[in-house]
Formats: sequence, structure tokens, C-alpha cells
Amino acid sequence: GAGVSQSPSNKVTEKGKDVELRCDPISGHTALYWYRQSLGQGLEFLIYFQGNSAPDKSGLPSDRFSAERTGGSVSTLTIQRTQQEDSAVYLCASSHQGGGQETQYFGPGTRLLVL
Amino acid sequence: GIQVEQSPPDLILQEGANSTLRCNFSDSVNNLQWFHQNPWGQLINLFYIPSGTKQNGRLSATTVATERYSLLYISSSQTTDSGVYFCAVPRTSGSRLTFGEGTQLTVNP
Repeated sequence: GAGVSQSPSNKVTEKGKDVELRCDPISGHTALYWYRQSLGQGLEFLIYFQGNSAPDKSGLPSDRFSAERTGGSVSTLTIQRTQQEDSAVYLCASSHQGGGQETQYFGPGTRLLVL
Repeated sequence: GIQVEQSPPDLILQEGANSTLRCNFSDSVNNLQWFHQNPWGQLINLFYIPSGTKQNGRLSATTVATERYSLLYISSSQTTDSGVYFCAVPRTSGSRLTFGEGTQLTVNP
């Protein structure tokens, strides 16, 4: 596709359930990022994948959060045992090579609501 | 880590007015992006501008890297310009973006 796509666009779940969020980056982009935007707060970094390098997981808020990137393309963000404070918009971005000197392109986000 | 401050936090304009949004950052950067978040939450790239001036239609941006600030100019504002404007810079040690808190712009008809 022409841009970054994410699915689902909306997800409502019950506290304690696991959820999986998917990101399809722009074709050919080797760098992929996950961010979170909570109500009343800014955008915060979660995790960064660059090619075959070990991901930068330093932004993940707890060990309930994990992410994978299979085949260097699609990424899945998993939240286990969801809590109400996990409610947020989860945004995925990709860039051509990573390294901080290029444009990051964002997907439309997944709006997660934990009841 | 790097700090990013945006001002003003809120701005209300009448259609047709001009405005200037400011972004200050606390450390040297090799990248700066301006985004517009529309009412549906989509982050739209406006500019990639580590230094200098760029223009795109009614919007232009200037980054003075040596003085650690960037400005976004919106001329002849339209109601469709409403939304939140973010600037973002990479951390000095990596490529993840640190975002400012945003400027909430409302353009009234």
C-alpha cells in the first residue's frame, strides 16, 4: 500500500484480556516504530525495530508489553493482561532506514479502550 | 533526554488570519518534523526540516538549529487547519522521536 496501515482501527476489551495490534509499514522501509498517545498526554515512544538489529525496547512501560517484527515487515504489538491505564491510541510509524535523519510516516492508529 | 516545548498551547483564530507556532528544543538535533493531527487522530507530515526554511502552500517552516528552535507559519488560515500541531525531534542517542505537547489550533469560520 501507499502508506502505513494498522489494524484494528478500534479495539474494546475487558481488563485482564490480551490484545494484539498489527502494523504494516510502507513497503521497503526497514525501520518501524511504535508510539502511544494517551488522553491528556503526549506521544510517547514504545519500541523501535531497525532491520535485523535487536529492537530498542526501552520505551515499553511494563513487561506486559511486547512486540515482534516478522520477516522485516509486519509488526505485532501485544499487551497482556490489559489494564485500564493501557487505554490509548497506539500509533505505528516507519522510515526508510532509521537513524534519526529521515522522515517518519505514521499510520492511522489503533484506538484501544480497556473496560 | 531531550526536552521539546511548544507554544502557545492553544490558539483560536478567525478564518483568514495568520499565525506562528513555536517549538524549542533543549539539545542539538539532526532532524525536526512538524505534524498536523487532524480531528480523526491521523498524524500528517507537514515538514521535515532540520535547518533552514521550507514552504508548502500556505504553510512554511523555519528551523534555526544553532538557537534550538523552529517556527511553523500558517497564512490565510482555513477551518480545515484546525487540529493539533506537533513538533518532534529524535533523541540524541537514537532515532525515536520526542514530541512536544502540541498546539491546539481552532480556526473559526
